[in-house]
Amino acid sequence: GAVVSQHPSRVICKSGTSVKIECRSLDFQATTMFWYRQFPKKSLMLMATSNEGSKATYEQGVEKDKFLINHASLTLSTLTVTSAHPEDSSFYICSAETSAYEQYFGPGTRLTVT
Amino acid sequence: GNSVTQMEGPVTLSEEAFLTINCTYTATGYPSLFWYVQYPGEGLQLLLKATKADDKGSNKGFEATYRKETTSFHLEKGSVQVSDSAVYFCALRGGGSNYKLTFGKGTLLTVNP
Repeated sequence: GAVVSQHPSRVICKSGTSVKIECRSLDFQATTMFWYRQFPKKSLMLMATSNEGSKATYEQGVEKDKFLINHASLTLSTLTVTSAHPEDSSFYICSAETSAYEQYFGPGTRLTVT
Repeated sequence: GNSVTQMEGPVTLSEEAFLTINCTYTATGYPSLFWYVQYPGEGLQLLLKATKADDKGSNKGFEATYRKETTSFHLEKGSVQVSDSAVYFCALRGGGSNYKLTFGKGTLLTVNP
């Protein structure tokens, strides 16, 4: 149990375009989901906390107008990278929190902006 | 604030060797402690957890004991396998409404046949 999926697993886009990444909890409902960014050989950086039915809470230094988060249901959160630039290229990972406060992670999305 | 410090590695072992990855933490209140594993190109998987002092988390031959007196949660395995090669992250979740996970920097483990 406690499976989280992400789609797409890999995406390549041109500079200036927008990209949407989906995060789904497949077998449980998640009031809270999290979005992380991971740089090569680095730990995870929390970008924002996504709460179903309310606005996301962004960490300091994360541009909320650039990284749009929508938590439309108890099983789906989306991250949209708007007007992507090469420096946005990274590995984006989501997690969903169970009622027991355990976070289960998606497999990640590799974004490459050319 | 909360913080997690884990040995940086990389750690390289031969198959069947004993593994220890040290993890210490700083936190207010009564945090829950976790070990996550990340295989190449994948997301993180929860390996084990402990929610209170003296709890021992275990899974797939890995163990870690929540030591409040030393603020530690060291990961151990008696006999590693090549398939254990991955990055291991120690993490804590603060108590109460402090729901965020704080991660260590990760330790790369390579097990050679």
